[in-house]
Amino acid sequence: DVKVTQSSRYLVKRTGEKVFLECVQDMDHENMFWYRQDPGLGLRLIYFSYDVKMKEKGDIPEGYSVSREKKERFSLILESASTNQTSMYLCASSRHRGLTSEKLFFGSGTQLSVL
Amino acid sequence: ELKVEQNPLFLSMQEGKNYTIYCNYSTTSDRLYWYRQDPGKSLESLFVLLSNGAVKQEGRLMASLDTKARLSTLHITAAVHDLSATYFCAVDIGSGGSNYKLTFGKGTLLTVNP
Repeated sequence: DVKVTQSSRYLVKRTGEKVFLECVQDMDHENMFWYRQDPGLGLRLIYFSYDVKMKEKGDIPEGYSVSREKKERFSLILESASTNQTSMYLCASSRHRGLTSEKLFFGSGTQLSVL
Repeated sequence: ELKVEQNPLFLSMQEGKNYTIYCNYSTTSDRLYWYRQDPGKSLESLFVLLSNGAVKQEGRLMASLDTKARLSTLHITAAVHDLSATYFCAVDIGSGGSNYKLTFGKGTLLTVNP
């Protein structure tokens, strides 16, 4: 089974801190994604990557950046955390489009609180 | 801008009853996904619908896709308590080639009461 591992289940940070959220997948998937989930808003895509060192903005990239130096690892960076970035962050991975099953496999999430 | 709308957003039903969750989307697409999320847990894939008229069934859940109407349905038959969860539909709006991204609906919180 695919395993998508997020490094922290809960994080508490202070406003202005630089925050790194790490995600690792073990199935050699090409695509990786970062979503945030907020009550009443569902899941919103922040950034995604379809190859090493490649990245594309999602729907809400402001205040975030990403890094994909290795195929299995996709990092989300909050350069200067703000209280409105308090949220549940979900990492996901999938194989390339065109293959038989392109569903997303999700990590267990990181609940980030910015005080 | 793609919009994905689910209704209802909240659904309380009794065990043994049938009901349908609807997912409408605003842009042409022939790829739609359903996910389930249990409280405090992450999302788990339920169904992948890849063409007009596609129908998938597993247990008490059946999903279908009508790309002309831009509508997918998730039908629940004879609900049981274990089906209580939040259900999300998601539409693929990828630009083709090897990359794509999904836009999610806001989710339907289903509560099945004894």
